[in-house]
Amino acid sequence: GEDVEQSLFLSVREGDSSVINCTYTDSSSTYLYWYKQEPGAGLQLLTYIFSNMDMKQDQRLTVLLNKKDKHLSLRIADTQTGDSAIYFCAGGGIGFKTIFGAGTRLFVKA
Amino acid sequence: GAVVSQHPSWVICKSGTSVKIECRSLDFQATTMFWYRQFPKQSLMLMATSNEGSKATYEQGVEKDKFLINHASLTLSTLTVTSAHPEDSSFYICSAIIREGSNQPQHFGDGTRLSIL
Repeated sequence: GEDVEQSLFLSVREGDSSVINCTYTDSSSTYLYWYKQEPGAGLQLLTYIFSNMDMKQDQRLTVLLNKKDKHLSLRIADTQTGDSAIYFCAGGGIGFKTIFGAGTRLFVKA
Repeated sequence: GAVVSQHPSWVICKSGTSVKIECRSLDFQATTMFWYRQFPKQSLMLMATSNEGSKATYEQGVEKDKFLINHASLTLSTLTVTSAHPEDSSFYICSAIIREGSNQPQHFGDGTRLSIL
């Protein structure tokens, strides 16, 4: 079945860039998403990329998609302590189920 | 933007009681809503897909009689945990998508933390 995998932990220093990686198996996903979850809260949609795009930039966030390798990454520039959270990679299409990765826990050291 | 409201945010109750959780789309109509369960430090587990006006589609292993889902209108879906027991304690999150064809991803509520004593 469909699977989304991502590394579990990432630790960076404040001001550095963070890169969170994700691989997926379902090449039919129309969209690929990045969500952020802070402790005790629901998921906040950070950004998403349509499957026919290679890159999307939104302020400090840059999403790169390599369809050939089924690899998705999220780069956070100038990482701040407020960026500490769990980041979920997910794939899905319109009205279809969304498959979530296990989440990457980002620690930002001051 | 699209806002999903989930209520209550935290419930503590005795074993054997039933608990209802509401999920509302505040500024859009949602033909489809999803209910997830999240265990500590784990990813989201899809429990069921709720479609307005029809029966929910449950994922394998999820008890339909235990987790009752009702989607009576385009803005409201409810999850009722019946005869709750301590093993049902978890974080429950709903999400909604705008009408099909609108090219929008899922929008999540803030979750409900359920603790059964």
